[in-house]
Amino acid sequence: KAGVTQTPRYLIKTRGQQVTLSCSPISGHRSVSWYQQTPGQGLQFLFEYFSETQRNKGNFPGRFSGRQFSNSRSEMNVSTLELGDSALYLCASSLEGTQGSNEQFFGPGTRLTVL
Amino acid sequence: GDSVTQMEGPVTLSEEAFLTINCTYTATGYPSLFWYVQYPGEGLQLLLKATKADDKGSNKGFEATYRKETTSFHLEKGSVQVSDSAVYFCALIGFMEYGNKLVFGAGTILRVKS
Repeated sequence: KAGVTQTPRYLIKTRGQQVTLSCSPISGHRSVSWYQQTPGQGLQFLFEYFSETQRNKGNFPGRFSGRQFSNSRSEMNVSTLELGDSALYLCASSLEGTQGSNEQFFGPGTRLTVL
Repeated sequence: GDSVTQMEGPVTLSEEAFLTINCTYTATGYPSLFWYVQYPGEGLQLLLKATKADDKGSNKGFEATYRKETTSFHLEKGSVQVSDSAVYFCALIGFMEYGNKLVFGAGTILRVKS
């Protein structure tokens, strides 16, 4: 079974631009979560989508948004990029289910650099 | 809110040494607890998990026991190998959380020398 794939793997943008990252979950998985990883703040939860609906949201500004399609693929968008948005963005997928009962499988991440 | 505290690293050990990475948590009720590992240039992989008090998670020689009385989930391995060098993250999903929102600790870098 193919794992979680994220595209692109690397991205360089300038301040003020916007960016869209893509995540394809493992086949059959309906939950997709996004995390931001930085040296200073560590791993922080952005949001989770389940069956095309946002189920959970972290403490990030409205510049960060996402969506999920009917095939469970997900995208996240960051508008008006700031230098502090430079990070590794990780996507994770899991089966549906109650809390804690399902393993989350992570993709390799997209490394975003904002200049 | 819920939080996870890990011992600071890096932890440097010789091959075959005993490993302990401390993890404590703050959360209401009974969260589910996890250890994830991140190898250089890769995403995270689930190492082990425990979903109720006194559960022991184990995988690849690593173990951790869910201790409700001390709110801890320390990671141990009896004999580390160079290939265990990675960053280890302790994490939880809150008891009342509907979904898969993981709260992570800061991570502990493990370096194993041959």
